[in-house]
Amino acid sequence: EADIYQTPRYLVIGTGKKITLECSQTMGHDKMYWYQQDPGMELHLIHYSYGVNSTEKGDLSSESTVSRIRTEHFPLTLESARPSHTSQYLCASSDRTGGLGPLHFGNGTRLTVT
Amino acid sequence: GESVGLHLPTLSVQEGDNSIINCAYSNSASDYFIWYKQESGKGPQFIIDIRSNMDKRQGQRVTVLLNKTVKHLSLQIAATQPGDSAVYFCAENSGGSNYKLTFGKGTLLTVNP
Repeated sequence: EADIYQTPRYLVIGTGKKITLECSQTMGHDKMYWYQQDPGMELHLIHYSYGVNSTEKGDLSSESTVSRIRTEHFPLTLESARPSHTSQYLCASSDRTGGLGPLHFGNGTRLTVT
Repeated sequence: GESVGLHLPTLSVQEGDNSIINCAYSNSASDYFIWYKQESGKGPQFIIDIRSNMDKRQGQRVTVLLNKTVKHLSLQIAATQPGDSAVYFCAENSGGSNYKLTFGKGTLLTVNP
């Protein structure tokens, strides 16, 4: 079982609020990722990072932003939440710097914006 | 945002039978493929992977087959158990050296006791 933690597990918040979804891993992995997943649907990459101070946008456009100040921490922020942001957000990390290997996922944050 | 209803292909099998889950991938240049299992309320869990220079790889009760000619990937589960019930996703590294996994649509596997 990979050591990657996401908090909160569930979040219900009103429109216009600023929120930060937390993701931490204790494995020292350089690569970290955020995926968005609607119920019953595939995962879409929204952000990724190859190391400290490295962040890139993924394949799916997202109004969220990320930061990578420490290796173990990769938070995702929504400045002004909207109902269209309602979804599940999954964080992942990978230990194969320069190579190929599976992503290890957290259990996700299920966000509902009312 | 939210989608209403499930859009997943489904596969229903009897306990003890073998299961085959199929996936068509999109990028002929993809060099690495993974199968994940996702149970309700959890993140995806790694099952098995395969590199593009192989066409078959076996794990414990699972086998992945890769057909690059038709861009097809399959997951075979031997002696399927109720605990295998979950959604299964294939994923491909479509980013080359910029390692990024692109996920396919999942398949819901239901194992009947």
